[in-house]
Amino acid sequence: EVQLVESGGGLVQPGGSLGLSCAASGFTFSSHCMSWVRQAPGKGLEWVASIGQDGSEKHYVDSVKGRFTISRDNAKNSLYLQMDSLTAEDTAVYYCARRGGATGWGAFDIWGQGTMVPVSS
Amino acid sequence: EIVLTQSPATLSLSPGERATLSCRASQSVGSLLAWYQQKPGQAPRLLIFDASNRATGIPARFSGSGSGTDFTLTISSLEPEDFAVYYCQQRSKWPLTFGGGTKVEVK
Repeated sequence: EVQLVESGGGLVQPGGSLGLSCAASGFTFSSHCMSWVRQAPGKGLEWVASIGQDGSEKHYVDSVKGRFTISRDNAKNSLYLQMDSLTAEDTAVYYCARRGGATGWGAFDIWGQGTMVPVSS
Repeated sequence: EIVLTQSPATLSLSPGERATLSCRASQSVGSLLAWYQQKPGQAPRLLIFDASNRATGIPARFSGSGSGTDFTLTISSLEPEDFAVYYCQQRSKWPLTFGGGTKVEVK
């Protein structure tokens, strides 16, 4: 079964750091671009970051540039998001998502269940 | 940044009725547009990719059309499980962006 399972969410204080992980299974992880997408409570979806198949290409939404770092370990079929200097505006459910298609850069075709990150004192 | 504007914000319909959802892009995205469905407490689910292609396992009552800046998601006859929020998303240019969503609710 194709599956993505996030972990690492939890309450963090403003200015703090947190690392998220996403374990992939059921598909060839190294063939797909992987991404993080977040959703603030009661709000819409916001793309956060993407990383190419070999980890050399990375893209971020402006609001997290310099604070968040996306990475992957193809040997462990895992995706990561290191979040530093967190603010209340980063409070959201964070989803790990696979980009599909023949090139592995298509639409988000597989999603994890999400992990909640509340940023509050 | 490409801004995606979805309309209407809310669509109130009855089961069996036809739903027509719109997504307009601030600049051309070609056909690189997808549609997602999200139910409360669940992750989004891919419905349509590249403007008009149904994802695996998606019923034929869902169809997508359009290119350039104007796109439509049509649900031909609403089933009870179709009442949800729908998002469009473009992958033409970085940053990837989503529309604000259309909520399809029971009338």
